[in-house]
Amino acid sequence: NAGVTQTPKFRVLKTGQSMTLLCAQDMNHEYMYWYRQDPGMGLRLIHYSVGEGTTAKGEVPDGYNVSRLKKQNFLLGLESAAPSQTSVYFCASRPTGFNEQFFGPGTRLTVL
Amino acid sequence: AQTVTQSQPEMSVQEAETVTLSCTYDTSESDYYLFWYKQPPSRQMILVIRQEAYKQQNATENRFSVNFQKAAKSFSLKISDSQLGDAAMYFCAYRSFYNNDMRFGAGTRLTVKP
Repeated sequence: NAGVTQTPKFRVLKTGQSMTLLCAQDMNHEYMYWYRQDPGMGLRLIHYSVGEGTTAKGEVPDGYNVSRLKKQNFLLGLESAAPSQTSVYFCASRPTGFNEQFFGPGTRLTVL
Repeated sequence: AQTVTQSQPEMSVQEAETVTLSCTYDTSESDYYLFWYKQPPSRQMILVIRQEAYKQQNATENRFSVNFQKAAKSFSLKISDSQLGDAAMYFCAYRSFYNNDMRFGAGTRLTVKP
């Protein structure tokens, strides 16, 4: 039982490049989330999903897209990376009817 | 939108002593959940304690307890018998009962002195 995993752990991009962050969970959780964490700030919700095939916007969705084609995976895409997207990205999941979110280890993304 | 405020960017405590971290939030909702998360240097987010707003009794988890004041919209975390391993960033978080919107405070960095 690996819990929540994130791929990759680190990435450096140039402005304008695209990439996809992968979040995978093996706990059969319905809900999945993507957050970003910037210095001096707490985590901010980017997008979330309440089940396979569904996605919804969070607090800071601009510049990101997501997909949940399989229940266990939640992908976060950056179509044209900008320096303002330099951040640490966290994925989380939780089962229905349960309050606690289980977090992945984070991905540090730098956009030059 | 709900906001969460942690007014103490940094706190320090002597090992074995007690420390209280403050958190206030702003909401018009009556049903919600509150959390304290710990983030050590490893970056992993670890749930410390949670509180349901409809419960009047304050949550406790071993050395960790909260003082939940619903009318004052205050949710402080007390750490008793502080240990070196408690050193970390602590985040207060709010989640609406009605949706998945989760809001975090900016965090408090706790240092534990031996």
